[in-house]
Amino acid sequence: GQQVMQIPQYQHVQEGEDFTTYCNSSTTLSNIQWYKQRPGGHPVFLIQLVKSGEVKKQKRLTFQFGEAKKNSSLHITATQTTDVGTYFCAGPEGDSGAGSYQLTFGKGTKLSVIP
Amino acid sequence: GAGVSQTPSNKVTEKGKYVELRCDPISGHTALYWYRQSLGQGPEFLIYFQGTGAADDSGLPNDRFFAVRPEGSVSTLKIQRTERGDSAVYLCASSLLAGTSTDTQYFGPGTRLTVL
Repeated sequence: GQQVMQIPQYQHVQEGEDFTTYCNSSTTLSNIQWYKQRPGGHPVFLIQLVKSGEVKKQKRLTFQFGEAKKNSSLHITATQTTDVGTYFCAGPEGDSGAGSYQLTFGKGTKLSVIP
Repeated sequence: GAGVSQTPSNKVTEKGKYVELRCDPISGHTALYWYRQSLGQGPEFLIYFQGTGAADDSGLPNDRFFAVRPEGSVSTLKIQRTERGDSAVYLCASSLLAGTSTDTQYFGPGTRLTVL
């Protein structure tokens, strides 16, 4: 079955430094979704990328979807303590339009920000 | 409006007991999903409902796990003869449309199940 891998597993940064997490899928994805989970919380949807090579920005967060639609990245500029949490990428199983509704999640990257 | 709610928030039970976990999806959402999240892992798909029917239960680990959604809204995940390995956070998510990969899934706060 589909596998989604994320690196790094953990990242400790000084407040103000940049942060990047990478996501790789074993299969081509119809779309990639990113979620953030705060400590003790539940996954909260951040964004979805659909097109090959797509780049989207949300304030200090930049999301990219690879040309082959098998990898993605999330980059945070000038991290803040509010960025603390685990960032998950997730891809739907199978191709778009084939009833691909279940998400396969990566293991996540846990971000710690040192004030 | 209200988000996805799950009850109880925490459940401690003994090995061999039966438990029920409840999920109230966002009003009007057709699709409902159950996931399980173990410590240090991402959510793992269990089952998906489209309306009242289980469209895909391929993620259920074995026949001790069962879920229902009799009226197309509230869903209950049932675990028989619980084992210590069942300990995890059980997450419920709902989405507006049924069976579309681009539809956003909104997660509830989860039920933390501990089997002693």
